[in-house]
Amino acid sequence: DAGVIQSPRHEVTEMGQEVTLRCKPISGHDYLFWYRQTMMRGLELLIYFNNNVPIDDSGMPEDRFSAKMPNASFSTLKIQPSEPRDSAVYFCASSLGDSSYNEQFFGPGTRLTVL
Amino acid sequence: TQLLEQSPQFLSIQEGENLTVYCNSSSVFSSLQWYRQEPGEGPVLLVTVVTGGEVKKLKRLTFQFGDARKDSSLHITAAQPGDTGLYLCAGSTSYDKVIFGPGTSLSVIP
Repeated sequence: DAGVIQSPRHEVTEMGQEVTLRCKPISGHDYLFWYRQTMMRGLELLIYFNNNVPIDDSGMPEDRFSAKMPNASFSTLKIQPSEPRDSAVYFCASSLGDSSYNEQFFGPGTRLTVL
Repeated sequence: TQLLEQSPQFLSIQEGENLTVYCNSSSVFSSLQWYRQEPGEGPVLLVTVVTGGEVKKLKRLTFQFGDARKDSSLHITAAQPGDTGLYLCAGSTSYDKVIFGPGTSLSVIP
């Protein structure tokens, strides 16, 4: 398996533009997580899915952020409109469970810069 | 709300030195994990500990879970430049999802 795949690896956009980040989890993993990482706030959980259903979106910062998982092999995180404070590295991870008994496999991340 | 604290926040040492980093919480965790994140990459799992007092060794790395399952430590013997990275602890209680600590950024100077 190729591991968790994220695209794009880098995204530079201007304030107000729509940004879509993509993730392909490891086949057979029922859980998919979206994280945001910054120097100031560390690694923050935004939302996670179980069997394509959102379980906890309490970390989504505001209505500008939305996430979908239309099938077991694909998820998107959308920011509309984007703002400079959204600049961060966004990680997708997949796992067999949502507790710390289960290893989370992280993708390489998408580095987002909003000008 | 459960929180994980890590110390120190930053650590810079010479190759060959020993070091210990800590992960603490006021909550009791059913299990705890340590991840290492290298620059430009996602975190990678090093170890999972589940029993209070448990000690696990991974080559030069020794992990310990506190007896009360509220804290953990990571000790590195004879650090090497390849150990450089961000060390994150992560835990979950019996009724909640995994949370990550803020991390300890380690730099090992050749």
